[in-house]
Amino acid sequence: NAGVMQNPRHLVRRRGQEARLRCSPMKGHSHVYWYRQLPEEGLKFMVYLQKENIIDESGMPKERFSAEFPKEGPSILRIQQVVRGDSAAYFCASSPGDGDSNQPQHFGDGTRLSIL
Amino acid sequence: GDSVTQMEGPVTLSEEAFLTINCTYTATGYPSLFWYVQYPGEGLQLLLKATKADDKGSNKGFEATYRKETTSFHLEKGSVQVSDSAVYFCALSDPGTGRRALTFGSGTRLQVQP
Repeated sequence: NAGVMQNPRHLVRRRGQEARLRCSPMKGHSHVYWYRQLPEEGLKFMVYLQKENIIDESGMPKERFSAEFPKEGPSILRIQQVVRGDSAAYFCASSPGDGDSNQPQHFGDGTRLSIL
Repeated sequence: GDSVTQMEGPVTLSEEAFLTINCTYTATGYPSLFWYVQYPGEGLQLLLKATKADDKGSNKGFEATYRKETTSFHLEKGSVQVSDSAVYFCALSDPGTGRRALTFGSGTRLQVQP
């Protein structure tokens, strides 16, 4: 499967635990985006990363949330000390690294995070 | 800032009916416009796109025309099928702002009955 791969598909955490969401971009893509979708709502941008760099984190909550895209391996979205309000679907998207900023973003199937 | 407004759903149609889902936008620069579709339990799939005024994006019988004068990008299909039942999202990217983030509408759920 050459698409955007996210895992796990479903993640259950208790309040106060940490959640780690992983995303492997499409082959040949070097730009990664994370979005959050609350129930019955559209997707809200969180963060945009290139390898080893955070380019735009204007949609990230100031506390408890962090993201990385290391030189090797998948991108990780990390949520510390989760709260009930973090329950949502988290989608990763990727796009090619070169040139045209109008290149469409390709989405994974998401990680559905549930906080007990 | 940039924003996208879609008609609220759900939209319920009979098979072979004509579909229109309205989408209007506000943007700082000259945005590119997209329609994505989300089937239950899945991620978003790009349905079509348009990058400049009067461009028409089309795919799988769906069409949308970039109307700069009315800041709209309405989605249409002449004859819907049960398999078109999904949530449809209008979105824009605004290269003029230097940001690559997509701005999404809230989504419109389409239900097609046999």
